[in-house]
This record gives sequence, C-alpha cells and structure tokens, in this order.
Amino acid sequence: DIQLTQSPSSLSASVGDRVTITCRASQSIIRDLNWYQQKPGKAPKLLIYGTSSLQSGMPSRFSGSGSGTDFTLTISSLQPEDFATYYCQQSFLTPRTFGQGTKVEIQ
Amino acid sequence: QITLKESGPPLVKPTQTLTLTCTFSGFSLSTSGVGVNWIRQPPGKALEWLALIYWDDDKRYRPSLKNRLSITKDTSKDQVVLTLTDMDPVDTATYYCAHSKSSSSFAFDFWGQGTVVTVSS
Repeated sequence: DIQLTQSPSSLSASVGDRVTITCRASQSIIRDLNWYQQKPGKAPKLLIYGTSSLQSGMPSRFSGSGSGTDFTLTISSLQPEDFATYYCQQSFLTPRTFGQGTKVEIQ
Repeated sequence: QITLKESGPPLVKPTQTLTLTCTFSGFSLSTSGVGVNWIRQPPGKALEWLALIYWDDDKRYRPSLKNRLSITKDTSKDQVVLTLTDMDPVDTATYYCAHSKSSSSFAFDFWGQGTVVTVSS
C-alpha cells in the first residue's frame, strides 16, 4: 500500500495567515494526489484534485502543488470557515489511501 | 446534480453481516470512467477507503478486509451495495459512499452524508 504522511498533524493559525500543509508519499504517485476538507460531523469535501486542480465551487485561496512524492496544500489567507481537518489522498493505485489528517485550529 | 445517500442499520451485533446501500442520482454507473467508493471513519480517527466498483464492474478492495468485503451494483436502481461480514466492535464507524471519475483523477468528488454504524452486543 502507498503510505501518505501529512505534516504537521495539527497547527494553530490566525485569520489572514498563510497556511501550508505537506503530504509525502511512500512512492511516486506522479500527480494523483487529492485534498479534502472535513468539518466536525460532516462528510469531507473535495478541495483539490490531480495535485493542483481546484474543485468547482471551492475558493481560490486554496491551491496545491507538487509531484512524485512531495505535495503541498496552501491556504493563502486563512478565513474563519477554513478551520477544519484536511486530508490528502492518493488515487494512483488501489488501495486508495489517505493521510492521517491535519487539524487547523484557531490561534 | 450528483447526490448520494447511504442507508443501513445503525446497530449490528458482533459476528453479524453489515449490508449498506448507496442510492445515487445525477449520474449513471454504466458511464465509462465512473466509479463508486465506500469509505469509513471510526470515531475520532482518519478516513479509511474500503472498496470501489467501476462502471465496467471491475471491483477493488482494501486488502486487509478483502475476505470480508463485497461490493455490487444495480445499475437499473442506481444503487451500490456493500457487505461486510463478521462485524467486530472495531468496525464501528461512519460509512460513506462517494462518486469518482477518471476526468477528476478518480478523486472522491461527491460524497453521501454518511451513516453511523455501531457494533455492539
């Protein structure tokens, strides 16, 4: 199975901050890396697919980059509604796998 | 628009078989490039992919659960059914179904609301 390791596991930030979350894969997944946002009690929402494509309806302050084994999700200016848990996920191979999550909290 | 909804029993006993149904609308599972996935999330833990069925009936499973899982589709009813045998308390989780397609890198672009399943005697 392809292991995905996210860092950090949690972070505290303020509204307006630039936030970066990284995801490292145990082998190359080319660019088949996706990012999700999940709020408590809700289903995850797709933010970014294929490393850098913004899902329809998602705010442009979210962006993704990377290739191979190292990927990044960036929130350019954190908004109050962005406090949530973020997961990376690879769709290069089955079994599909997720990172362990990064919880973004209010500082 | 695409919607999915999970249904099934909220409570199952250990050793029983769990059967969950995903009823969807807004797409056809006979369209090339489309798939439906099952994903679960134990309380307070990360997401865990379980199974995938493609438009051509190709099926993929989580290796550690492969002997206990089965996924099938009924294209005429727009439903996907997941069965998980020999349930254990560690299978307590929220179970989601999610749509994916090749043009979106097979990301999970639409999700159901989830159904909570508790395993307890």
